[in-house]
Amino acid sequence: NAGVTQTPKFQVLKTGQSMTLQCAQDMNHNSMYWYRQDPGMGLRLIYYSASEGTTDKGEVPNGYNVSRLNKREFSLRLESAAPSQTSVYFCASSEVDRGRETQYFGPGTRLLVL
Amino acid sequence: AQKVTQAQTEISVVEKEDVTLDCVYETRDTTYYLFWYKQPPSGELVFLIRRNSFDEQNEISGRYSWNFQKSTSSFNFTITASQVVDSAVYFCATYRAGAGSYQLTFGKGTKLSVIP
Repeated sequence: NAGVTQTPKFQVLKTGQSMTLQCAQDMNHNSMYWYRQDPGMGLRLIYYSASEGTTDKGEVPNGYNVSRLNKREFSLRLESAAPSQTSVYFCASSEVDRGRETQYFGPGTRLLVL
Repeated sequence: AQKVTQAQTEISVVEKEDVTLDCVYETRDTTYYLFWYKQPPSGELVFLIRRNSFDEQNEISGRYSWNFQKSTSSFNFTITASQVVDSAVYFCATYRAGAGSYQLTFGKGTKLSVIP
């Protein structure tokens, strides 16, 4: 099992450029998440998906769009990147087994917007 | 609005000491979840625990234990006999679900350094 994979690992964008961060999990989880972590800060949830075809906004959804076209993949799109979106982006998936949740994180994507 | 306070910004302990990381949360909801996460110096994120607001039993997992007290809105995390590998930033978080949104609020983290 690869767990949760993210691509790319690192990206530099110019202001106004667009890009899609890819996330995939091979654990057959229903729930998936996108977080961002700014330097020296905690995590903030951008979007959450409870299942294929459904998404919910998190704390900081502005400037982002997401797509959950299948159970395995959950992509995050920046339509017009801004320097404020410079961050490390983490994707995660989770399962609940007998009332106990376990979350699994990807390695992160470091994004620099100039 | 939810809020999570981790008052301890940085803690240093000597290996084998016990250490408790504090987490105080604020929420108006009766149903919510509490979480702890670990972020080692490598930068990866590791999920440690989720606790339901209805379950106030303490949880123990190896050297880790969690004390949930609704009366003081606290969800503290204790590491017994700390090891160097425990050195990391630890985040506490609380979750509530609303219509069309998933509110997961994190504290700013506590950096734990375990000195050999």
